Amino acid sequence: EAQVTQNPRYLITVTGKKLTVTCSQNMNHEYMSWYRQDPGLGLRQIYYSMNVEVTDKGDVPEGYKVSRKEKRNFPLILESPSPNQTSLYFCASSLRQGAGGTEAFFGQGTRLTVV
Amino acid sequence: AQSVAQPEDQVNVAEGNPLTVKCTYSVSGNPYLFWYVQYPNRGLQFLLKYITGDNLVKGSYGFEAEFNKSQTSFHLKKPSALVSDSALYFCAVRVSGGYNKLIFGAGTRLAVHP
Repeated sequence: EAQVTQNPRYLITVTGKKLTVTCSQNMNHEYMSWYRQDPGLGLRQIYYSMNVEVTDKGDVPEGYKVSRKEKRNFPLILESPSPNQTSLYFCASSLRQGAGGTEAFFGQGTRLTVV
Repeated sequence: AQSVAQPEDQVNVAEGNPLTVKCTYSVSGNPYLFWYVQYPNRGLQFLLKYITGDNLVKGSYGFEAEFNKSQTSFHLKKPSALVSDSALYFCAVRVSGGYNKLIFGAGTRLAVHP
C-alpha cells in the first residue's frame, strides 16, 4: 500500500529538548516536504527536498532542520524546541519537480506540544 | 504573491442538501488546483484536482469541483451531503513550471447535520 508514515503521532516535550520526527515513504517519490498546520493559517511549508542531499527552506523554516540521506526518509529535527512550535506537523511526498499535476501524499500527522 | 483564499471558516448543511465549499486563488501562470479533506485525527486525503481540460472535475466520495478561470475560483461541490462528509477541507494550488510547493488555503470546516 502506498503510504507516508510519520512517527510519533503524538509528542509532548519540554522547551529546549532536541527531538526528531521521522517520515518515510514507499512510493519512490523524489519530492518530500514538511508542513505545519495551525488554526486559521492552513498548512505552511517548513522545508522541502527535491531529491537525496537536496533540501531547501520553505516559508517557515526558523527553528527546524531536515536531512535527506536516503530517498525514502525525510526527518524533521527541532534542535531546541520552543512553545511556538506547538503545532500539527505533516510530511508529504510527490513525484519529481515539473510533474505539477500530480497530487501529494500526506502522512497522518504528528501533534507536537512544547511546554 | 501567490495565495489561496477560502472565505468561509465553516459551512453548515443539512444532510441530503447540496453543498458548496468556496475557493479562490491568485497565481501567476497556469494553476494546478487540488482539494484535500482532513478527517479528525487523520492526515490529508486527496479528493480531486484540476490540471487542464474540462472545467468540471469529479473526484472521490461523490465530490466535484468547477474551475472558473475568469473568476479564479475552484469551488468544491456535492449534490447531496452526508453526515460522514463532515470534516476540514483544504483547497491548494501549485503553479505550473515551478517546483512542487503546494500553497494551501486556511481550510473550511464542513458540518453536515442530520
